[in-house]
Amino acid sequence: AQTVTQSQPEMSVQEAETVTLSCTYDTSESNYYLFWYKQPPSRQMILVIRQEAYKQQNATENRFSVNFQKAAKSFSLKISDSQLGDTAMYFCAFYSQGGSEKLVFGKGTKLTVNP
Amino acid sequence: DTAVSQTPKYLVTQMGNDKSIKCEQNLGHDTMYWYKQDSKKFLKIMFSYNNKELIINETVPNRFSPKSPDKAHLNLHINSLELGDSAVYFCASSPGLAGVNEQFFGPGTRLTVL
Repeated sequence: AQTVTQSQPEMSVQEAETVTLSCTYDTSESNYYLFWYKQPPSRQMILVIRQEAYKQQNATENRFSVNFQKAAKSFSLKISDSQLGDTAMYFCAFYSQGGSEKLVFGKGTKLTVNP
Repeated sequence: DTAVSQTPKYLVTQMGNDKSIKCEQNLGHDTMYWYKQDSKKFLKIMFSYNNKELIINETVPNRFSPKSPDKAHLNLHINSLELGDSAVYFCASSPGLAGVNEQFFGPGTRLTVL
């Protein structure tokens, strides 16, 4: 079964600085998708960024980028120029069509951006 | 113009009661989901429907029964509520296959069982 591990339960960063959230996963599949979702205090889950495993190029979305290391099964999220609004729980998620056909989430990292 | 809506947002009830949570999406998506987020924020899928057909049914008690009257709605009915059912329940939808596409989440329903 696929598993997703986020080893940092909590992190904090100063406003305008850069922070990296870690995620590792375990799978025997070769084709899969990885996601980072954000859950602010409002509870609304929002997709931050998505990466297809067959693409070597790391995905980027404005201040958010990933470091996808397929061989190491690592998918970290880098947030540049952190803003107060980035304060949230961040969930890494994995999906494989050849697997259980469901999105598997990590346990989340609580990120606090300090002014 | 809410994309995925859930009612109610908060639900407080006594043990042993039966309650329902409704979910509607106006995105024209084929697939809908129910997730449970426990007190430690762990998010786990419960059910998934594609075009009104059940495609994922995780190991949840039989007291939980999803109902999809049409493609735009996926309701969750819970019988004989227990203390351990207290959680936030999220409905979500996606166009087509789970995970290949972005899932759009509702605002969540915080269920408290006393």
